[in-house]
Amino acid sequence: NAGVTQTPKFRVLKTGQSMTLLCAQDMNHEYMYWYRQDPGMGLRLIHYSVGEGTTAKGEVPDGYNVSRLKKQNFLLGLESAAPSQTSVYFCASSYRVGGNQPQHFGDGTRLSIL
Amino acid sequence: GNSVTQMEGPVTLSEEAFLTINCTYTATGYPSLFWYVQYPGEGLQLLLKATKADDKGSNKGFEATYRKETTSFHLEKGSVQVSDSAVYFCALNSGGSNYKLTFGKGTLLTVNP
Repeated sequence: NAGVTQTPKFRVLKTGQSMTLLCAQDMNHEYMYWYRQDPGMGLRLIHYSVGEGTTAKGEVPDGYNVSRLKKQNFLLGLESAAPSQTSVYFCASSYRVGGNQPQHFGDGTRLSIL
Repeated sequence: GNSVTQMEGPVTLSEEAFLTINCTYTATGYPSLFWYVQYPGEGLQLLLKATKADDKGSNKGFEATYRKETTSFHLEKGSVQVSDSAVYFCALNSGGSNYKLTFGKGTLLTVNP
């Protein structure tokens, strides 16, 4: 019953460092998403993927890269972390068929950039 | 573009009080509408959904009706419990080929015993 699993759960970085956040889902979902959650801003879509080997930009893609080499995994990379990227990051996944399919979320990664 | 507007929080209620959280939307076509709940330290969980006009979504005592004429999807519960304390997000799915969700900013609900 794992659903969507995000690693790590917490991380503190220094400005300029790089890191990768991992998202794994075991529901055989075609679609995967990365969001950031900031106080008073709700959730904003960073990047998303509609299938293995495909990615696309969301609302706030600058400073992030993603890869979907395997259907079950969706990686979010920060090449050169900046304090403005301090946030809580959520991964989600959903089935492709039908516009009413809900997204299933992981528990989040809390990232602080000093 | 699509947008979702939720009532500003925080909302503080006593146990057994009636809850309404307002949500209105702007979208082209016929979106699906969702309410998600986020408990402290956790990710978002789907609470309920409605996929067409006049549909009523319900779960755990919460209800919301898809009102196309007023472009609204207000969340209601007749008697809240302390365990309902959480952040509630209204969201819409515009359909098409990628099914991106557009979220409201969230409403923090605190229920006191």
